[in-house]
Amino acid sequence: AQSVAQPEDQVNVAEGNPLTVKCTYSVSGNPYLFWYVQYPNRGLQFLLKYITGDNLVKGSYGFEAEFNKSQTSFHLKKPSALVSDSALYFCAVRAAVSGNTPLVFGKGTRLSVIA
Amino acid sequence: NAGVTQTPKFQVLKTGQSMTLQCAQDMNHEYMSWYRQDPGMGLRLIHYSVGAGITDQGEVPNGYNVSRSTTEDFPLRLLSAAPSQTSVYFCASSFRQGRDTQYFGPGTRLTVL
Repeated sequence: AQSVAQPEDQVNVAEGNPLTVKCTYSVSGNPYLFWYVQYPNRGLQFLLKYITGDNLVKGSYGFEAEFNKSQTSFHLKKPSALVSDSALYFCAVRAAVSGNTPLVFGKGTRLSVIA
Repeated sequence: NAGVTQTPKFQVLKTGQSMTLQCAQDMNHEYMSWYRQDPGMGLRLIHYSVGAGITDQGEVPNGYNVSRSTTEDFPLRLLSAAPSQTSVYFCASSFRQGRDTQYFGPGTRLTVL
């Protein structure tokens, strides 16, 4: 079975500081990994994904994520946080196998960037 | 392209009433899905479809029905609403599963009294 863990319900960071939102996963075989962001009263917006190849993935709004197979992690990072980055962040995983394997989401991490 | 659209945006039901949440996409995506979002629970998959005429259950299917008669539309039906179905519902679509990115609609906030 697939699963995603986001160990922190809330992350607080000062504006201008680097931020990290953690994600670990469990799948059989290789994973496809995704990060989404949700602003208040909005749907989820796609940030970035890891499919294969380079372990460092760059996405929208200056975000990046590093795939670490040995630690089964896919942490989201940004070098310098903005107040406008404050939102709810979701990590998701799907096994990279043939067949109908739905996307499984973590419970989300609320990021608060303080001016 | 309008992307993924959902109607209504808000709905209040009484226990036992039925209703249909509408979802449509204009991107010719084969895969569509319904999630519910509850505080502290993240997104949980209700039902999904890999193409017209094909649907399957997700993690929390009880109390919900779906059908997929066209590629564009994927309605979610609540036959007899219960307070436990109070939630925010999101529809999503992608070309296929696998590596394809899912795109989400704006959501429907449902309250069952």
